[in-house]
Amino acid sequence: GENVEQHPSTLSVQEGDSAVIKCTYSDSASNYFPWYKQELGKRPQLIIDIRSNVGEKKDQRIAVTLNKTAKHFSLHITETQPEDSAVYFCAGKGFGNEKLTFGTGTRLTIIP
Amino acid sequence: DTEVTQTPKHLVMGMTNKKSLKCEQHMGHRAMYWYKQKAKKPPELMFVYSYEKLSINESVPSRFSPECPNSSLLNLHLHALQPEDSALYLCASSQIGLAGARSGANVLTFGAGSRLTVL
Repeated sequence: GENVEQHPSTLSVQEGDSAVIKCTYSDSASNYFPWYKQELGKRPQLIIDIRSNVGEKKDQRIAVTLNKTAKHFSLHITETQPEDSAVYFCAGKGFGNEKLTFGTGTRLTIIP
Repeated sequence: DTEVTQTPKHLVMGMTNKKSLKCEQHMGHRAMYWYKQKAKKPPELMFVYSYEKLSINESVPSRFSPECPNSSLLNLHLHALQPEDSALYLCASSQIGLAGARSGANVLTFGAGSRLTVL
């Protein structure tokens, strides 16, 4: 099955700076990679996703890049704000698979 | 309605109790999921229902029993739980099952969760 590793486990960034979180996956057939943000005591919420047929996707301050050859994908948050503080989970899904496998999470803290 | 609603928000039960968690969505989604999340850990898949049929059971102990009465409702029946089963139980839904390739249809929408404490 799919195995997703996520780094770093914690990340502190000065407000206004950029944050990058990286994930690697094991199944070369995986074709869908979402990122979820979970604030303390809240539900996970999708912030951006990417499919295996594109290399990059942007949505305002958030971008995701995918390197299929190296089997890794990254979340980039620019101009960070205090409300970006949360736990971020990457995930991967194998082709034709019903199961989303989550990474172990990154606790992002934005320092004002 | 763009939400997944879970009840109760909090549940405390003894090891001999029988209780149920409920999940409801009115987005016309045909796949529904139960996840278990322990503190500081990612969500762990328990069950998947696709078109009201159980399609995945991740080797979950039989003290957890899922039920999908119709396309909008998903229940999780709990019986003879252990203290280590204490966790946040998240329900989620998606337009179609994750195996489908249609763009945008795989997005999981999570409910707010039911926080379960087993004494």
